Amino acid sequence: EVQLVESGGGLVNPGGSIRLSCAASGFTFTSHTMNWVRQSPGKGLEWVASVSHKSRYINYGDSIKGRFTISRDNAQNSLFLQMNSLRAEDTAVYYCAREGVRGVEKFLTNFYYMDAWGKGTTVTVSS
Amino acid sequence: DIQMTQSPSSLSASIGDTVTITCRASQDIGNSLNWYQQRPGKAPRLLMYAASTLQSGVPSRFTGSGSGTDFTLTISGLQPEDFATYSCQQSSTFPRSFGQGTKLEIK
Repeated sequence: EVQLVESGGGLVNPGGSIRLSCAASGFTFTSHTMNWVRQSPGKGLEWVASVSHKSRYINYGDSIKGRFTISRDNAQNSLFLQMNSLRAEDTAVYYCAREGVRGVEKFLTNFYYMDAWGKGTTVTVSS
Repeated sequence: DIQMTQSPSSLSASIGDTVTITCRASQDIGNSLNWYQQRPGKAPRLLMYAASTLQSGVPSRFTGSGSGTDFTLTISGLQPEDFATYSCQQSSTFPRSFGQGTKLEIK
């Protein structure tokens, strides 16, 4: 069974830092790009960052670029998100999500999607 | 960056109804469009990828269509477990982006 378990959330002061972790099991972690997605209270989903299977390709959302760092440890089947210079608007549930990829016969391209999600960890930025 | 816009933001329907949710991309994304379902307090669940390919285990009453900039998700014969929030997401390019979500409520 595929499992993604986030941890590390909590209450942090504005300007502070926190590090989230995601423990993966039940699949070959080293074969998948991994993502962080967040959801602020009462709001929609917001993609945060992704890291390719060997960490060669890393991408960030505009709102967190320069403040957050995504990383992974393939030996430990773990994904991380280092969050610095936190703001009130970073308050959210943070989800770890696995990326799947598949080619569809009638198209000449691959398709990417997030096919497994953790239950999330909550980060609250407040003084 | 590509903006994703869903409509409506919310809708009410009854068990057995058919509903359609629309998602529009700010530029051509081909068929790189995914749909997710999220029940209250739960993580999102992938319903469909490549605009119209049903994820394994998802009931066939869910259908997707569209390409380029305009996409739809149709749910036929609504069941009680379908009342949730639905979000589209483009995977054509980075940064990835989601629509704002459509909340489907029981009438």
